[in-house]
Amino acid sequence: GAGVSQSPSNKVTEKGKDVELRCDPISGHTALYWYRQRLGQGLEFLIYFQGNSAPDKSGLPSDRFSAERTGESVSTLTIQRTQQEDSAVYLCASSLGGRGTGELFFGEGSRLTVL
Amino acid sequence: AQSVTQLDSQVPVFEEAPVELRCNYSSSVSVYLFWYVQYPNQGLQLLLKYLSGSTLVKGINGFEAEFNKSQTSFHLRKPSVHISDTAEYFCAVSEWGGGADGLTFGKGTHLIIQP
Repeated sequence: GAGVSQSPSNKVTEKGKDVELRCDPISGHTALYWYRQRLGQGLEFLIYFQGNSAPDKSGLPSDRFSAERTGESVSTLTIQRTQQEDSAVYLCASSLGGRGTGELFFGEGSRLTVL
Repeated sequence: AQSVTQLDSQVPVFEEAPVELRCNYSSSVSVYLFWYVQYPNQGLQLLLKYLSGSTLVKGINGFEAEFNKSQTSFHLRKPSVHISDTAEYFCAVSEWGGGADGLTFGKGTHLIIQP
């Protein structure tokens, strides 16, 4: 597609359940990022994928969070045993990676509400 | 490593008045600079960017920013704001040759337009 696509756009879940959020980056973008944005807050970096290199997981807040990406395509962010503090908008972005300027292209986000 | 400071978390402005949103960065090398805008309940979209050349950069919706290397600033300006400009504005920086690592974001400035 023309832009970064994220699904679902909205997800309401009960505390303790697992959730999966999906990101489809712009074709040809080798770099993919996940950010978390709590209500009224800035962007919190979670994880970064660059091509086939090992991902930079330094921003993941706990071992309940994990993400996968196959090659340079779709990525899935998984949150296990969700807690109320996980409620946030999860933003995905892609970029040209080392071949570019660092400019990021964002999806619309997935709003997660944990009851 | 680079960092970005947006000193104002919130800026209230009357409609049709001018506005300046401040951004300062620190880096030991040359940088690319960006401003992103996030309208309510949406993802981030690029407002404008400085890569090289003229230090005055014009973006969408009548916004412009000026790169000042000596002051390490990239302030965003608009001569006359509209109610539709109400949004969160994020300044971001990436280092030359470090594009693979993406952007470092400021904490954001909430622009509030008062009628």
